[in-house]
Order: sequence, then structure tokens, then C-alpha cells
Amino acid sequence: RKEVEQDPGPFNVPEGATVAFNCTYSNSASQSFFWYRQDCRKEPKLLMSVYSSGNEDGRFTAQLNRASQYISLLIRDSKLSDSATYLCVVKVRRALTFGSGTRLQVQP
Amino acid sequence: DTEVTQTPKHLVMGMTNKKSLKCEQHMGHRAMYWYKQKAKKPPELMFVYSYEKLSINESVPSRFSPECPNSSLLNLHLHALQPEDSALYLCASSQVGRTTGAAYEQYFGPGTRLTVT
Repeated sequence: RKEVEQDPGPFNVPEGATVAFNCTYSNSASQSFFWYRQDCRKEPKLLMSVYSSGNEDGRFTAQLNRASQYISLLIRDSKLSDSATYLCVVKVRRALTFGSGTRLQVQP
Repeated sequence: DTEVTQTPKHLVMGMTNKKSLKCEQHMGHRAMYWYKQKAKKPPELMFVYSYEKLSINESVPSRFSPECPNSSLLNLHLHALQPEDSALYLCASSQVGRTTGAAYEQYFGPGTRLTVT
């Protein structure tokens, strides 16, 4: 079983749509959780950290369920510029473990 | 934009060459990392330095040799690489809490795209 599992997609959605990504992790000792986005042939960029109480940053909402070991990302009012691969990332001690990523394509 | 810089952006080297990748961060972070990323795969951790000391080596072959000369710089020395080592090499940095060992968000440089011929 992979340490961090994500649906690879692709998710093809029209502009303005709401889209949700899910992620599960296997290590119950995981301490911190993040969503990164990665554009083609670029480095991963931090999108947001994920807190137990859930958190929102503009059009992006992240949720964490420690009991189910499940993380989600909701994107509202999708923009063309949101097209990217979204990486679910889990930290145990100093090491980050990346999911394989979910590809999002927002279409005009 | 990122405050982690990496040079060179692209590198082509033969299997008998020796080369080095360089990374520099200007955020005052005391933890630095090397990752390797193959096409359509997520980044894989190679090394972690904390307070300029190597704290994690993810069983990386000895043809990759990291070095942390000071808190802002991280090098990766390459020697006798194989074609399968061709990948994007990413450097990252983060704060680190001395007491708990818990690290904060990691920030990535733009990477060096390495091709081994």
C-alpha cells in the first residue's frame, strides 16, 4: 500500500466549476499535511497547509480527518490558471512524502 | 517567487564526468533537502540536512554526495552517474524546530534538469 494515495485523474472541468480532490495516508504518526501544486516541468509550490480544524484560502478549502487518515482539497470557481497537478503531501518527522498527484485541467 | 535558487538549470553529463549541483536559500532556514523527480512521478527524498549536519540519507547510491558548506548553501556532487539517474533534481529548505524536530513547510527551488548520456 502506498504511503499517500491520490486519484491521478485527470479531472477535466469547465471554468467556474467546483472540484474536490481526496487523499489518504497510511502512517498514523504523520504530523503535518500540505497541498502543493506543480505545473508541467516546474517545481512544486506550496498551495496551503492543512489544519485539523480545516482551513480556507480564497477559493481553496482544505480539510483533514485524522481518524480516517483522509485529506481533501476543494477548489471553487475554477480558473484556467488552476490547471496543474495537485500533490498531497504528508510529513513524518523531517521527511515529506508525496502522493502521485492529481491532474486538473480547467477548460474554457 | 521562490527564494531558493539552483544552478545550473540544465546539465548534460557523460557517465565518467564529475559535476556539482548548487542550491542557495536566503530565508534563514536551517533545514535543506535534495529530492529527485522522474517524469510523471512525485519527488522522492534523497538527503536532509539539519543545522548543516546530514540527518537523513534515503539509501542513496554513493555516486551522489551531498555537502552543506553553510546554512545557506547545499551542494550535490555527482560522479560516475548512470543514464537512469537522469531526472529533475530539486532542492528545498524549511525552518526547523530544534526541540521537537518538527519541520515547517518546505519551499522548493526551480530544479536542475539532469541528463546523463
